[in-house]
Amino acid sequence: GAGVSQSPSNKVTEKGKDVELRCDPISGHTALYWYRQSLGQGLEFLIYFQGNSAPDKSGLPSDRFSAERTGGSVSTLTIQRTQQEDSAVYLCASGGGGLDTQYFGPGTRLTVL
Amino acid sequence: GESVGLHLPTLSVQEGDNSIINCAYSNSASDYFIWYKQESGKGPQFIIDIRSNMDKRQGQRVTVLLNKTVKHLSLQIAATQPGDSAVYFCAESGGRRALTFGSGTRLQVQP
Repeated sequence: GAGVSQSPSNKVTEKGKDVELRCDPISGHTALYWYRQSLGQGLEFLIYFQGNSAPDKSGLPSDRFSAERTGGSVSTLTIQRTQQEDSAVYLCASGGGGLDTQYFGPGTRLTVL
Repeated sequence: GESVGLHLPTLSVQEGDNSIINCAYSNSASDYFIWYKQESGKGPQFIIDIRSNMDKRQGQRVTVLLNKTVKHLSLQIAATQPGDSAVYFCAESGGRRALTFGSGTRLQVQP
């Protein structure tokens, strides 16, 4: 079946612009996660959605970052007034929630000039 | 996870040998552990997982060992193949369901 998909695959933007990154999770998965991976580093947790519960936003690095999940499916990560340090690969994962495997999408490579 | 910048620890093995990749974790409350494989330009791919009530789990050519006493996790790959070349991450879930990732180990398989 279809895995997690993300769009765009690459995004180049100018400093100060807003960007939106999209994630389509695996159908039926109730949990959705956003992570960030800087060059050559491990993954950094950003935000977690589980069903209709309030999201866990504890990993968001600043108030320029926000995310929403509409209808319990598709999620959008928004970065306002992008900075060069926001350049990274943004990865989305979905899973059944709880102690369940997280399946990752291919990521969106964001470059802020 | 702890950052090692651009210089990931690298394990270089000959094709056909067994590989062991190690990971130390810090949260004694972690109850779920996963190994991921990440190839260049791709998202992490699930390899194998283990829950804290187990100390060993086997998959196809892979085995994960968990030592909770010293908070150590290892991934063993049998008969390593060139296609196994990638960066391997351990991840733990402790309390919250989001994963905490280690910094990764690069596995290079020499043909």
